[in-house]
Amino acid sequence: AQSVTQLDSHVSVSEGTPVLLRCNYSSSYSPSLFWYVQHPNKGLQLLLKYTSAATLVKGINGFEAEFKKSETSFHLTKPSAHMSDAAEYFCVVSDYLGANNLFFGTGTRLTVIP
Amino acid sequence: NAGVTQTPKFQVLKTGQSMTLQCAQDMNHEYMSWYRQDPGMGLRLIHYSVGAGITDQGEVPNGYNVSRSTTEDFPLRLLSAAPSQTSVYFCASNPSGGANEQFFGPGTRLTVL
Repeated sequence: AQSVTQLDSHVSVSEGTPVLLRCNYSSSYSPSLFWYVQHPNKGLQLLLKYTSAATLVKGINGFEAEFKKSETSFHLTKPSAHMSDAAEYFCVVSDYLGANNLFFGTGTRLTVIP
Repeated sequence: NAGVTQTPKFQVLKTGQSMTLQCAQDMNHEYMSWYRQDPGMGLRLIHYSVGAGITDQGEVPNGYNVSRSTTEDFPLRLLSAAPSQTSVYFCASNPSGGANEQFFGPGTRLTVL
């Protein structure tokens, strides 16, 4: 069975400082992992995905994530937060062996302080 | 390409009423799915389809029906709405095979009184 745990429900950072959003996963096979972002009252947008290629994955808007199998983690980082990064972030695992259904974490709300 | 479209954007129902949430995609994707989003719970899979004529249940299917008569359309039916179905509903589609990106619609905000 697949599942993800997002370790922080809310993260607050100052503009220009690094962002770290933590995610641990559980999967019975080699997983595909994603980070999606949802801005207020908007739909979901893919930030980046890991599909067993390079363990360090670069996404849009300067975000990246590192897949660490030994720690079953897939943390999202960004060197310098921007006001426009304020949003809800979801760590997601896929059962791509089936219908590519997604299993979402409960989300981390990122607040950026000016 | 319009991508994934959903109608309506907002809906208010009374308990016991029925309605259909519409979802359409113009990307010729085989896979389509419905999720609901509730505060503090992320998105949960309701039903999904791997192609026209094929549907299956997800994590929270009770109270919902789906059908897939064409590749483009995947409507979600609430047969007898309940307050517990108050939520934001997202439709998604993706190409078949492998861990492809899912494309989400803009969502339908449903309130059941």
